[in-house]
Amino acid sequence: EAGVTQFPSHSVIEKGQTVTLRCDPISGHDNLYWYRRVMGKEIKFLLHFVKESKQDESGMPNNRFLAERTGGTYSTLKVQPAELEDSGVYFCASSPYNSPLHFGNGTRLTVT
Amino acid sequence: AQTVTQSQPEMSVQEAETVTLSCTYDTSESNYYLFWYKQPPSRQMILVIRQEAYKQQNATENRFSVNFQKAAKSFSLKISDSQLGDTAMYFCAFMKRRSQGAQKLVFGQGTRLTINP
Repeated sequence: EAGVTQFPSHSVIEKGQTVTLRCDPISGHDNLYWYRRVMGKEIKFLLHFVKESKQDESGMPNNRFLAERTGGTYSTLKVQPAELEDSGVYFCASSPYNSPLHFGNGTRLTVT
Repeated sequence: AQTVTQSQPEMSVQEAETVTLSCTYDTSESNYYLFWYKQPPSRQMILVIRQEAYKQQNATENRFSVNFQKAAKSFSLKISDSQLGDTAMYFCAFMKRRSQGAQKLVFGQGTRLTINP
């Protein structure tokens, strides 16, 4: 089966610009998660979807971040406007119910 | 809140040696899972091994085994007969056991392991 796919693999933008990250989960996985690792720190939970519904978005840092999962398939994470501290690696993961997470390769975001 | 600490930012061993990565955690929960994930360079993060807190027996997966000390809140990973392909970033993670199946992981800072030929 195809794994979790994230686009782009790397994005470099200037402060104040907008960036949209995309995640295609494994087909049939209702659960979709976003995590991020800011430079040199631990990976932190951002939010969790079950199908198209947000179940837990307690990790979203502020209202500059907007996540969507249209039709319960792929998900996007938009950062608008981007700030320097948003730089890091953004991971997406998916899973069936109560099963281990499958992670994507991550998107490395650099804000200059 | 739960925390996970990996005290070794980097480690390096020779091929075929045994290496142990340390992980400690802090929680007041009694029912939880612990994980080790591996992320090779430029590749996706994959699950190496999982331990359920209520199980006293240490989990093993081929060359990978853990030493789970619940009272001490310690969860170390041992890699036996290390191979070049084991070179990766290793993350220790904690998760409360939830009835609804949501998997909200708390990660450590990671240990960069290099296996030298």
